[in-house]
Amino acid sequence: AQSVTQPDIHITVSEGASLELRCNYSYGATPYLFWYVQSPGQGLQLLLKYFSGDTLVQGIKGFEAEFKRSQSSFNLRKPSVHWSDAAEYFCAVGGRNQGGKLIFGQGTELSVKP
Amino acid sequence: DTAVSQTPKYLVTQMGNDKSIKCEQNLGHDTMYWYKQDSKKFLKIMFSYNNKELIINETVPNRFSPKSPDKAHLNLHINSLELGDSAVYFCASSREAGGQPQHFGDGTRLSIL
Repeated sequence: AQSVTQPDIHITVSEGASLELRCNYSYGATPYLFWYVQSPGQGLQLLLKYFSGDTLVQGIKGFEAEFKRSQSSFNLRKPSVHWSDAAEYFCAVGGRNQGGKLIFGQGTELSVKP
Repeated sequence: DTAVSQTPKYLVTQMGNDKSIKCEQNLGHDTMYWYKQDSKKFLKIMFSYNNKELIINETVPNRFSPKSPDKAHLNLHINSLELGDSAVYFCASSREAGGQPQHFGDGTRLSIL
């Protein structure tokens, strides 16, 4: 079955601390992986994507993610969190021949302490 | 210029009514989608259209009928609204239907009284 698991429903970090959000996927074909961020009342904004090649991908707002095929993981990281990073983060997986269908994880809500 | 725009942003209505949500994208994309986000923030695809042709229909009740008059528009009509239809509906688009990044609208919050 195709699925995405984000084990942490809610994470709180202090401003300036490092961040890692976990994502594990189950997908039968070659996965295309995405991280999106959703601020309250807003749509989803793409942070970064992995299609192939270098397994460490850089995104916007200082985020990066590492694809580990052996662990079926695509964890999101940021070295120093800013208060404006507080939001909901979604990991998603899709494939080349799936009609564009994305399967989303349940999301991780990030809170940032001053 | 807003890339993917949805109207209305909020929709409050009673059970049994019929309502429509409109979506337009100005990105020149070929593929458009409708997603439903439930109260627990879980996102699930409902429909996908590529060049006005339906390519994904995720076992959505037939009370939901998408319509794509052209590549830039994908509307969602819902008949006989039920309490369980309360959710946030997101429209999205991508350059093509094949694992490309999707650009999302800001959502339409539908509340059924």
